[in-house]
Amino acid sequence: QVQLQESGPGLVKPSGTLSLSCTVSGASITSRNWWSWVRLPPGKGLEWIGETFHSGSTSYNPSLESRLTISVAKSRNQFSLKLKSVTAADTAIYFCARVDYDLGRAFDSWGPGTLVTVSS
Amino acid sequence: QSALTQPASVSGSPGQSITISCTETASDGLVYNYASWYQLQPGKVPKLIIYDVSHRPSGISNRFSGSKSGNTASLTISGLQAEDEADYYCSSYTSTSTLYVFGAGTKVTVL
Repeated sequence: QVQLQESGPGLVKPSGTLSLSCTVSGASITSRNWWSWVRLPPGKGLEWIGETFHSGSTSYNPSLESRLTISVAKSRNQFSLKLKSVTAADTAIYFCARVDYDLGRAFDSWGPGTLVTVSS
Repeated sequence: QSALTQPASVSGSPGQSITISCTETASDGLVYNYASWYQLQPGKVPKLIIYDVSHRPSGISNRFSGSKSGNTASLTISGLQAEDEADYYCSSYTSTSTLYVFGAGTKVTVL
């Protein structure tokens, strides 16, 4: 059974960089799946952030692309998110998720999520 | 503003059936494919309950079913149970630079 777990600071200062990692267990990050980040701002709906493949290929939400880097660490079976120049609008629960193209590109496994608050 | 429109809330009594709609924004020119539905409950890992419009992953109750007519996908929960109280989100793959879009979510309340 695939399990994903987000980790990283829960508080980031405005204009700082939000950094999170997602550790994958029960599956190899070098499988044919893509690996995504999704966030849930308070009182709002889910927003797709971006995704990566183990080759290092990435796709980003155009609304975040200028501030965003998603990378893979194959040796640790992890992938990571860095979002720079954050503001209060980036406060959200951040989820990592696996994308299964055999299931119609659905997010078939998710982490429990981690709350990141942007505040001084 | 979400490209997929869902009702903010839907409620029903135990045993009843409810349907949540997810309507594509017709004017934005995007092509929506592979509708999926997710269940989010506080303190729990989000769960995929329908993929590719109408398919259930293994382990998901057959009380959940999905369909699509025209530009509207729907999720039906039959035999509503207290454990079904959750926020439900639809999503589509768009084959554009914004690969995935989500609806704003529907809060399901069991009366």
